[in-house]
Amino acid sequence: KAGVTQTPRYLIKTRGQQVTLSCSPISGHRSVSWYQQTPGQGLQFLFEYFSETQRNKGNFPGRFSGRQFSNSRSEMNVSTLELGDSALYLCASSLAKMGDTQYFGPGTRLTVL
Amino acid sequence: AQKITQTQPGMFVQEKEAVTLDCTYDTSDPSYGLFWYKQPSSGEMIFLIYQGSYDQQNATEGRYSLNFQKARKSANLVISASQLGDSAMYFCAMSTGGSYIPTFGRGTSLIVHP
Repeated sequence: KAGVTQTPRYLIKTRGQQVTLSCSPISGHRSVSWYQQTPGQGLQFLFEYFSETQRNKGNFPGRFSGRQFSNSRSEMNVSTLELGDSALYLCASSLAKMGDTQYFGPGTRLTVL
Repeated sequence: AQKITQTQPGMFVQEKEAVTLDCTYDTSDPSYGLFWYKQPSSGEMIFLIYQGSYDQQNATEGRYSLNFQKARKSANLVISASQLGDSAMYFCAMSTGGSYIPTFGRGTSLIVHP
């Protein structure tokens, strides 16, 4: 079974631009979660989508948004990029049951100049 | 509120030796799950092992075992016979109650010396 895939793997943007990251979950997984990882803040939960609906949301500003398509693929968008948005963005998929494991993709490393 | 604490920012171990990575957790929910992930320098988070709060036995997966001490609220990861490829960041995580979204600790960096 193919794992979680994320594109692109690396991205360089400048302040004020916007960016869209993509995540394809493991086949059969309907839940997709997004995380931001930085050296200073560690791994922080952004949001989770299940069946095209955002079910859980972390404490991030509205510049961070996402969506999920009918095939469970998900995108996250960051508008008006700031230097502090430079991070590794990880996507994880799961069956969304208590005790179920989240499986992560390789991540997208975003650098904002 | 749930909390995961990993007090060891960095650990060193000799190849072929065993190493224990510490993790303590705090939750008032009687139903929870504990996870360990490995993150090599490439960035991908790799699932290693899972322990449910009602599991009677400690979880094991190959060279990985989870030393689950419920009364002490600890869930330490034991890696036996360390290999050079085990050098990575290791994260402990917990999900509780009806939520399957885990909270992660700050991680422990493990370096395996030849």
